[in-house]
Amino acid sequence: QKEVEQDPGPLSVPEGAIVSLNCTYSNSAFQYFMWYRQYSRKGPELLMYTYSSGNKEDGRFTAQVDKSSKYISLFIRDSQPSDSATYLCAMRNSWGKLQFGAGTQVVVTP
Amino acid sequence: GAGVSQTPSNKVTEKGKYVELRCDPISGHTALYWYRQSLGQGPEFLIYFQGTGAADDSGLPNDRFFAVRPEGSVSTLKIQRTERGDSAVYLCASSPAGSVGDEQFFGPGTRLTVL
Repeated sequence: QKEVEQDPGPLSVPEGAIVSLNCTYSNSAFQYFMWYRQYSRKGPELLMYTYSSGNKEDGRFTAQVDKSSKYISLFIRDSQPSDSATYLCAMRNSWGKLQFGAGTQVVVTP
Repeated sequence: GAGVSQTPSNKVTEKGKYVELRCDPISGHTALYWYRQSLGQGPEFLIYFQGTGAADDSGLPNDRFFAVRPEGSVSTLKIQRTERGDSAVYLCASSPAGSVGDEQFFGPGTRLTVL
């Protein structure tokens, strides 16, 4: 069983809708949680970085971490066609390497 | 300023050959990471350098894989006796100091195809 599970999608939504993405994990030592966006044939770029449980908002993006359920989420409001990409969750403990989910492909249709 | 660059962008080789993949990190970044990303998967950690030394090489799959960073800047990932299963995108990332709170900045990757 992988330490980080993420539904690969694809997830197709109409422009303007809310995109909801999530990951589950099994390692209770994870404390740092990230969401990356990856366009085709590009490297991942960091969107959100959260430490421990709670919510974090940045513009149209909201990240949530529920450590009791080992569940993290990313919400994208007012989605745009330019948001079409693969979204990767990633997490780590205080000393270890990043563990990535498989990525969810998101398609926002005009 | 310039981001992380990787060369070549694409590499096609035959089974059994030797390949070298190069990474130029962001200037001044002391931490450098190599990842491998197979189709439909997230990046998988290979090795982490802090300066010139490999601080964690636990992700290297076997002794055919080796990486160096002799001057603490450019790094080269070397794969000997390539196998078809080595086909993947090899990503390099750098961060200012390797601290747990540092953002890792990724390059565009080298797409390796082993025929």
